[in-house]
Parts: sequence; structure tokens; C-alpha cells
Amino acid sequence: QVQLQQWGAGLLKPSETLSLTCAISGGSFGGYYWSWIRQSPGKGPEWIGELKHDYTSNINPSLKSRVTISADTYKNQFFLTLTSVTAADTGVYYCARAGSYEVMQYWGQGTLVAVSS
Amino acid sequence: DIQMTQSPSTLSASIGDTVTITCRASENIKNWLAWYQQKPGKAPNLLIYKASTLETGVPPRFSGSGSETEFTLTISSLQPEDFAFYFCQQFNAYPLTFGGGTKVDIK
Repeated sequence: QVQLQQWGAGLLKPSETLSLTCAISGGSFGGYYWSWIRQSPGKGPEWIGELKHDYTSNINPSLKSRVTISADTYKNQFFLTLTSVTAADTGVYYCARAGSYEVMQYWGQGTLVAVSS
Repeated sequence: DIQMTQSPSTLSASIGDTVTITCRASENIKNWLAWYQQKPGKAPNLLIYKASTLETGVPPRFSGSGSETEFTLTISSLQPEDFAFYFCQQFNAYPLTFGGGTKVDIK
């Protein structure tokens, strides 16, 4: 059974960099799409971007200048970096896996990130 | 970006009811639509993809229909565990986008 376990700093100050890690167990990195998604309370999610099985990435244009998604396939982990955070970046961040269709079949448990001075 | 608009935003229903949630896309997405269920404090759970294909393990009381710009999620004979937040997602084009969600609560 595929499981995604994520972690990272939960409290940031404005202008700092958000860094999250998602560890994959029960499956391999290759052949799938690995996404980061965030959600504000009571709202629908926002797709941040993905790392594809060929190690190229697609990033939401609204965040493109600040987002990097990368992976360490030896450790079976992938990462999100979001620079210059503001209060608008506050929310729950999820990692997720999609298969041949770009739908999220497996999700991490979520990480609450708060940006406050 | 393709905008996904869900209605209603909140729906009150009773156990045993049949409920329908609508998701409209701002442009034709063919049948590249998924539905998710989310419970408080939990990650979302995939219910349906390609508009009407039930994900493995999802009870058959959930069904999806629609194409192009209008889609529906129907829950037949609502069960206590179905009171949750539901949202749609298009995967026709990047960036992937989600609906704003529908909360199904107890009347």
C-alpha cells in the first residue's frame, strides 16, 4: 500500500522560505506524477505543481517564480520549496501521487503552514 | 486557467436522502473531471475520475455524470459517513484546478 509521509516547518515569518519533504513508501518514484497542493480552511485546494516521472516539472503559473519541486529518488522523497512567503501562503500543504490520469490517488497527511510576523 | 465552479456551497440533507452536487467548468474539459471527498482534518479521498469512473473501493452509492462543461456528483441513500466536504478537479489542462467545494451537512 502506497503511503506518503510529509514534514517541514509549520511556522514561518514573512519573506522566509517554506521547505517541505514527502517520503514515499510502498511504491517507487518512477512512472507517476508527484504533486504539491495547498488548501485554505473551508476552501477548495490549489494545485502548486508537480514533478513528472521524467523529472521535469509543471508549476502553477501563479506561483512559478517562487516554487521549486525536486526529488531524491535514492531516498524515495520529493520536496517543495516556496520562497518569499507571505500571509497569503498560509494553509495546509499536501503532497500527492497521480497515476496515468492526473488525479490524486494518494495523499500525504498534510502539513499546516502558518506565516506570521 | 480553467475555472471550476461548484454549487451549492453548502447542502443540508438527512440520512437516506439522495443529493446532487454540480461542478461547472469555464471551458470544455471533455470528461477529464474527478471528484473527491474530504473529512475534517483529513486529506482528500478520490471518489470518481473521468467524470463517471468509480475509484476502487468507493461505494456504488456514489456516481458521477456529465461532460464538456457540466458535471454532477450524486450520492444515493446518504450514510452518516458521507457528511463531508466534496470538490471537483479538472485534469484537461494545466494548471490543474479545483472547485471551491460543497459541504454536505446534517439537516
